[in-house]
Amino acid sequence: AQTVTQSQPEMSVQEAETVTLSCTYDTSENNYYLFWYKQPPSRQMILVIRQEAYKQQNATENRFSVNFQKAAKSFSLKISDSQLGDTAMYFCAFMIHGSGNTGKLIFGQGTTLQVKP
Amino acid sequence: NAGVTQTPKFRILKIGQSMTLQCAQDMNHNYMYWYRQDPGMGLKLIYYSVGAGITDKGEVPNGYNVSRSTTEDFPLRLELAAPSQTSVYFCASSYSGDTGPYGYTFGSGTRLTVV
Repeated sequence: AQTVTQSQPEMSVQEAETVTLSCTYDTSENNYYLFWYKQPPSRQMILVIRQEAYKQQNATENRFSVNFQKAAKSFSLKISDSQLGDTAMYFCAFMIHGSGNTGKLIFGQGTTLQVKP
Repeated sequence: NAGVTQTPKFRILKIGQSMTLQCAQDMNHNYMYWYRQDPGMGLKLIYYSVGAGITDKGEVPNGYNVSRSTTEDFPLRLELAAPSQTSVYFCASSYSGDTGPYGYTFGSGTRLTVV
């Protein structure tokens, strides 16, 4: 069975600084995708970044980037120049892709990030 | 507005009552999902559908039922509500393009309290 583990329940960072959120996963599959979602206090789930497992290059989206270590099954999220609006719960998620795939996302438990002024 | 629309946003049910959470998407996505999120926790899959007329159980299906008669709609039925079903419910849809799946588009959630 596939699992996703986020070992940091809560983190805080000063505004304008950089923070890294950890995520590890367990799978025997080779073809999969990894995602980070943000859930602000509004409760809306927002896609932050997407990584294809077969790509060596780490995905980036503006101030958000990942460190994808396939052999170690690690997928951390780095937020640079943190802003107050980054305060949210962040979820790491995993999806197997291939023939007969159902597109099911498996979520980690989440990390609550507080950005302090 | 394009996206996933969930109704209602809030609901209080008494133990033993039933209700249907509505979910509709206008993006022509084949895949649709229902998740529940308990306080301070991640999301757990209740049911999913890979197309009209096809549904299957997720991780926590007990006490729920779904149907998918059209591509657009994916309602979730709660029968005989119990306090353990107090949660926030999210509907989501997705599609897979030339470069693989693009992740989910989520609805805004339904906060359900069973008393």
